[in-house]
Amino acid sequence: ELKVEQNPLFLSMQEGKNYTIYCNYSTTSDRLYWYRQDPGKSLESLFVLLSNGAVKQEGRLMASLDTKARLSTLHITAAVHDLSATYFCALLNYGGSQGNLIFGKGTKLSVKP
Amino acid sequence: KAGVTQTPRYLIKTRGQQVTLSCSPISGHRSVSWYQQTPGQGLQFLFEYFSETQRNKGNFPGRFSGRQFSNSRSEMNVSTLELGDSALYLCASSPGSWDAGETQYFGPGTRLLVL
Repeated sequence: ELKVEQNPLFLSMQEGKNYTIYCNYSTTSDRLYWYRQDPGKSLESLFVLLSNGAVKQEGRLMASLDTKARLSTLHITAAVHDLSATYFCALLNYGGSQGNLIFGKGTKLSVKP
Repeated sequence: KAGVTQTPRYLIKTRGQQVTLSCSPISGHRSVSWYQQTPGQGLQFLFEYFSETQRNKGNFPGRFSGRQFSNSRSEMNVSTLELGDSALYLCASSPGSWDAGETQYFGPGTRLLVL
């Protein structure tokens, strides 16, 4: 069974600190997506990682993909309160000609002053 | 540019009924994807339509179907509703297919309650 596992599921950080969210998956794929969801809101696409070694950065967030380790990371630098949200990773898995996007359970991030 | 719009925003149905949800993508976007979010199952991908053709598909039963029109607007239909279909249904659009790396833009969602 294909699994996409995020950890931690809950993360409480202090402002100014650094931390990493991990996304492990159980099958080969080179397409990994990160999304953000604010409480009671819709989703926002953050990063699309399309190849081994891909690294994308936006502000205080940096995502990377290691397809050999089947691991993607979302690194948070000098966290601020505005980053409080739930972060999801998702893996695109092809079974035949069509792909299915498999989501992790999400990491709920709370950044406190 | 106007964002992705979904109608209706809220809907109450009873078991056994069917429902149609609508999604209007950002002008010029050719791909529309649908997602289901529930507290129990989390986020799940339903399907993606690109230029009126279903390109990608999740693991949902045949009760869940969709289509895309020539103006890229998309509809999702759920027949014979079950209590477990109560969820937030999100749609997203992108200029091209998101599996090629295009950024997706999400609508506000339709919250469906099945009684």
